Formats: sequence, structure tokens, C-alpha cells
Amino acid sequence: EPEVTQTPSHQVTQMGQEVILRCVPISNHLYFYWYRQILGQKVEFLVSFYNNEISEKSEIFDDQFSVERPDGSNFTLKIRSTKLEDSAMYFCASRNRRGRNQETQYFGPGTRLLVL
Amino acid sequence: ILNVEQSPQSLHVQEGDSTNFTCSFPSSNFYALHWYRWETAKSPEALFVMTLNGDEKKKGRISATLNTKEGYSYLYIKGSQPEDSATYLCAFRVGCCSTGSRLTFGEGTQLTVNP
Repeated sequence: EPEVTQTPSHQVTQMGQEVILRCVPISNHLYFYWYRQILGQKVEFLVSFYNNEISEKSEIFDDQFSVERPDGSNFTLKIRSTKLEDSAMYFCASRNRRGRNQETQYFGPGTRLLVL
Repeated sequence: ILNVEQSPQSLHVQEGDSTNFTCSFPSSNFYALHWYRWETAKSPEALFVMTLNGDEKKKGRISATLNTKEGYSYLYIKGSQPEDSATYLCAFRVGCCSTGSRLTFGEGTQLTVNP
């Protein structure tokens, strides 16, 4: 069964460094998402991406964050200058197409990011 | 700010017990309610997407109901097994197009089934 994959599974970085989190969505999916969960808190939405552009972003997704789909298969989240409060589990998700019958967002296993 | 609440936060049951938990969400501008099952170190697994008031969905021993007018959904597990131990997340999506398709999650119910 097709699945969303994410790499790396864990990343440790120093404050101020750039990180790139990578995701390979399910191959025929059209909508892509990043969410994150800070330890002890709810899973929260960061950004959605469709047709090679951001379709929606949350107030968390400031200028330090960017997303890209560089080659038609990977979907990346870049944090330009990491802060301590960026430490979280980052989830990628993808969805097939618009419509209530195609609502399901399929999640990857996450990347655990620790900023020191 | 949308508020999605789940209760209880955690639950310990014995193998064979049936159990249920609740997700409450805003009753206005409803589009869909998602249930996920999440085991540590694995991907959250989609269980149900519920869209219509009165929906009842079933997958094996797990079922869910939806009341959009009062803003709640119940998840039921019949005859719990140790492999049902996981965190169960609900996520709410508002009406299409004004805020896209973002999901707003509850904090989850952590279920432990003791053998």
C-alpha cells in the first residue's frame, strides 16, 4: 500500500542553523501539508501546498519557513534559522484530490527535530 | 480560534472491555471530522472521515458517530485488544475555501489496553 515517507527520522541541530526536512508524498496525490507537534501540545497545521504554490499557511509559518516541491516527487520544509522553540515532531501529509470523498490526509511517520 | 477537545485524555482498560471517547468541535461551518489512530514511531493512520450529520462508520471493532448540530463525535472500540493501544486523534475541518483544507486537531485520547 502506498505511503508517505519522511527523512530523516531524527535531526539534531544547533540554534541558528538551517534544516531541510524531506517528504515523499503518495505518488498520485495533489495536495501536500506540513504539520508539527511540540511535545505535550496538539498537532498544529503549518502550511498547505497545491499546484506548486502555497494555498494556505498558519500564523506559525513565518519568513523563517519555506516549502518546495523541487522535482515532482519530494516535498521539503526548510527552516532557515532554527530556534529552540522549533523543536517538535514535523509531519508531512498528502491528499489525492478535492471533494468530500477524497478528504483523507495521509500522514508520514514524522521527523523529530531537536534544536540545541 | 477553533477549539477541538477530546476526552478523556487517557484511558486504561482491560482486554475485552468496550470503550468510547469523545471529540467536540465547533458546530458552525462544519465540513468534515477525521479520526486517526497513532502508535508511537508510526504514521498516524486514518480511521474515518465523517461528513454528514448522523454519519455512522465502522472498521472492524471500531466505529464512530457524528453529530454536527451539537458538535461532537464518538469513537467506540468493542472488545478492546492490546493492539488497540494507541493515541486516537480527532481533527476538524471547517467549510471549504475560506481557510482551505487545514485540519485542527484535538489533543488526543491515549488508550492503553491491559492484557
